[in-house]
Amino acid sequence: QKEVEQNSGPLSVPEGAIASLNCTYSDRVSQSFFWYRQYSGKSPELIMSIYSNGDKEDGRFTAQLNKASQYVSLLIRDSQPSDSATYLCAAGDGGATNKLIFGTGTLLAVQP
Amino acid sequence: GAVVSQHPSWVICKSGTSVKIECRSLDFQATTMFWYRQFPKQSLMLMATSNEGSKATYEQGVEKDKFLINHASLTLSTLTVTSAHPEDSSFYICSARDQGLAGSQETQYFGPGTRLLVL
Repeated sequence: QKEVEQNSGPLSVPEGAIASLNCTYSDRVSQSFFWYRQYSGKSPELIMSIYSNGDKEDGRFTAQLNKASQYVSLLIRDSQPSDSATYLCAAGDGGATNKLIFGTGTLLAVQP
Repeated sequence: GAVVSQHPSWVICKSGTSVKIECRSLDFQATTMFWYRQFPKQSLMLMATSNEGSKATYEQGVEKDKFLINHASLTLSTLTVTSAHPEDSSFYICSARDQGLAGSQETQYFGPGTRLLVL
């Protein structure tokens, strides 16, 4: 059974702080990894994708991938109340359609 | 990022009727689209994989005769909920796989979702 695991939270951080979200995956076949943000009542929105070991930065967001440890993380710098949402980690299953395996999501609450 | 649209965004129907939901990739071609369902405060649940020009692949426990999927073109997939019942009321979300240019890395984008309420 291919799995992606996340701490469900809630993760509470003060405004302006760094929020650190973590995720592990079970299948070494996975080669593509994604972070989606989902506001309550809305569909998921792609925040970051990462495919190679190391860091990938986009604005206030940095994704980190360590394939040896099967670990993916997302750092959000200068957290804002508008960042409060559920963050979903997903791994492609490496199959013909690269179906995504999702974690259950981490609820982030940024306190003003 | 790429845009995926869904129509309608909201639908209310009577029990026993059928409802069709459209999913379109607006600025890229998608040979593969996915249909998810999400109940309140629960995780996304993959229902099926929609493949252009071939039959959809359904996840275990999802009735293919109840949830009909047609992926007739590279930009359109439809999900029809047949003989809908109140327990089918949910948030239905599609996603489209953007494989990018040759050698580039693929991404999956979600549509805005369709809320179905069956009375």
